[in-house]
Amino acid sequence: NAGVTQTPKFQVLKTGQSMTLQCAQDMNHNSMYWYRQDPGMGLRLIYYSASEGTTDKGEVPNGYNVSRLNKREFSLRLESAAPSQTSVYFCASSDVVSGNSPLHFGNGTRLTVT
Amino acid sequence: GENVEQHPSTLSVQEGDSAVIKCTYSDSASNYFPWYKQELGKGPQLIIDIRSNVGEKKDQRIAVTLNKTAKHFSLHITETQPEDSAVYFCAASKKTSYDKVIFGPGTSLSVIP
Repeated sequence: NAGVTQTPKFQVLKTGQSMTLQCAQDMNHNSMYWYRQDPGMGLRLIYYSASEGTTDKGEVPNGYNVSRLNKREFSLRLESAAPSQTSVYFCASSDVVSGNSPLHFGNGTRLTVT
Repeated sequence: GENVEQHPSTLSVQEGDSAVIKCTYSDSASNYFPWYKQELGKGPQLIIDIRSNVGEKKDQRIAVTLNKTAKHFSLHITETQPEDSAVYFCAASKKTSYDKVIFGPGTSLSVIP
């Protein structure tokens, strides 16, 4: 099993450009998440999808949009990239709609906005 | 809302020594406390977790303790090995709030051979 797969692994954007980060999981999990990781700040939730067809804002949603394409796939879109969005982005999935279910993470997308 | 603090931010130990990472949380309703290990260039991976009805849990060289009264929990790694070098994150969440897994800022552990 591949687990959680993220593409691309690296990306450099200029301010104002747009892009979509892709995520797919093969564990038949209901819930999927997008986090960003910045030095000294741990992981902060951007958006999540409790189940197919639903999405909700997390702690830091401004400047992002998401799409839960189907049960396997959850994408994150930056419509107009800003330098403050330079970060490492992680997609994760979990088995049940519960705070007590472990998160399974992908290996991240390292995004630089110049 | 929930706030998770984690100390120390960096930790260096000699191979074979023990390492301890401590976390505190603010929301007394939190009842699930996972620990994640992140190796360089990879995503975090769950290594151990503890629920609020348990005071201590062990898995080989790794143990986690929870003090609900004081609202703190700790990760203990014994007989450290170079492959234990990584960033470790603690987290806290409530069963009814799947969007509220709050992570600590992380501890970078270096095990010196």
